[in-house]
Amino acid sequence: GQQVMQIPQYQHVQEGEDFTTYCNSSTTLSNIQWYKQRPGGHPVFLIQLVKSGEVKKQKRLTFQFGEAKKNSSLHITATQTTDVGTYFCAANSGGSNYKLTFGKGTLLTVNP
Amino acid sequence: DADVTQTPRNRITKTGKRIMLECSQTKGHDRMYWYRQDPGLGLRLIYYSFDVKDINKGEISDGYSVSRQAQAKFSLSLESAIPNQTALYFCATSDPGGTGELFFGEGSRLTVL
Repeated sequence: GQQVMQIPQYQHVQEGEDFTTYCNSSTTLSNIQWYKQRPGGHPVFLIQLVKSGEVKKQKRLTFQFGEAKKNSSLHITATQTTDVGTYFCAANSGGSNYKLTFGKGTLLTVNP
Repeated sequence: DADVTQTPRNRITKTGKRIMLECSQTKGHDRMYWYRQDPGLGLRLIYYSFDVKDINKGEISDGYSVSRQAQAKFSLSLESAIPNQTALYFCATSDPGGTGELFFGEGSRLTVL
């Protein structure tokens, strides 16, 4: 079945440093979603990328979808303590979003 | 009140016991899902349902069963719990006419001794 590799598994940064997590698929994707899960919480949807080469920004977060639609990244500029949590990519290779394959997530910790 | 409600939030049980985790939603979504989360393994799909008459296996359905009692209710059962089913379970919903965004419940932490 479809596999989604997400790296790194953990990332510890000093507040103010940048952070990036990467997601790679073995197959071409229809779209990819990103979720954030705060410690002790549930995953919360951040964004969906659909188009080849797409770049979307949400304040300090920049999301990118690769030209071949096999990889994606989430970049956080100048991290804050509120960014702490696990970031998951969720890939969809079919025509419908009913069977997402989640990456294993990247746990971000921020030292104030 | 949460749009997707899971009960119980925490449960400790013994090997061999039958356990039911319940999920109800007020979002009016047709699609409902059960995921399992283990540390370092992300979220894995157990079962999903597109409507009351539709039930589908996910990638790790062995040892689990589900029931879609109504559009708003989707329950997950462990007929005979075993220790490696100790995990955090999430129910989620999505709107087929929307972006495909999953809306998750707060989670049910199950420990099987």
